[in-house]
Amino acid sequence: DTAVSQTPKYLVTQMGNDKSIKCEQNLGHDTMYWYKQDSKKFLKIMFSYNNKELIINETVPNRFSPKSPDKAHLNLHINSLELGDSAVYFCASSRGTSAAYEQYFGPGTRLTVT
Amino acid sequence: KQEVTQIPAALSVPEGENLVLNCSFTDSAIYNLQWFRQDPGKGLTSLLLIQSSQREQTSGRLNASLDKSSGRSTLYIAASQPGDSATYLCAVRMPGGGADGLTFGKGTHLIIQP
Repeated sequence: DTAVSQTPKYLVTQMGNDKSIKCEQNLGHDTMYWYKQDSKKFLKIMFSYNNKELIINETVPNRFSPKSPDKAHLNLHINSLELGDSAVYFCASSRGTSAAYEQYFGPGTRLTVT
Repeated sequence: KQEVTQIPAALSVPEGENLVLNCSFTDSAIYNLQWFRQDPGKGLTSLLLIQSSQREQTSGRLNASLDKSSGRSTLYIAASQPGDSATYLCAVRMPGGGADGLTFGKGTHLIIQP
């Protein structure tokens, strides 16, 4: 009965490859997010989606593209991977866009680019 | 731009002690503040959510306080246990609608010595 799940948990790949990380939530939430936690452990928002529409897009490279086939899924596709993309990526969801709603986080995907 | 700072960065105490973790934020116009726990290889677990109109929230041995005007929050852990060892993250949510993400601090790495 996992609320927010991500696959894979670990991903090791070479520079220049294209990869995707999947996220699914079974909470019936309308809003989903992607966060990046870098080597210094700083967690920063990357994207959020509400009802399949991109709401915000912080200053991330356009090599990163979120894709939402339905409101329960928000996948993160990364083109032409670079060493600096190595990080832990967390997916989260909330009932809606209101700041009053808690965000629930997935277990994270540790991406290592070699 | 909102910035969140957590002090100390790391803390090691003997089991049974009461302890306080500190969080400060530069923009006091927050909507709410959340304390999370992060265990190695796992996602973020929400511990307490304090709305901007509230002064504190309690859950079991945890008590979080909020002084919005001074831009500070504390997380008090009573009678600490080895199982409390984790990284504790403070995050704030700004008002204004939309789907703004959380702004996180870098966390306090807590070790409870048996």
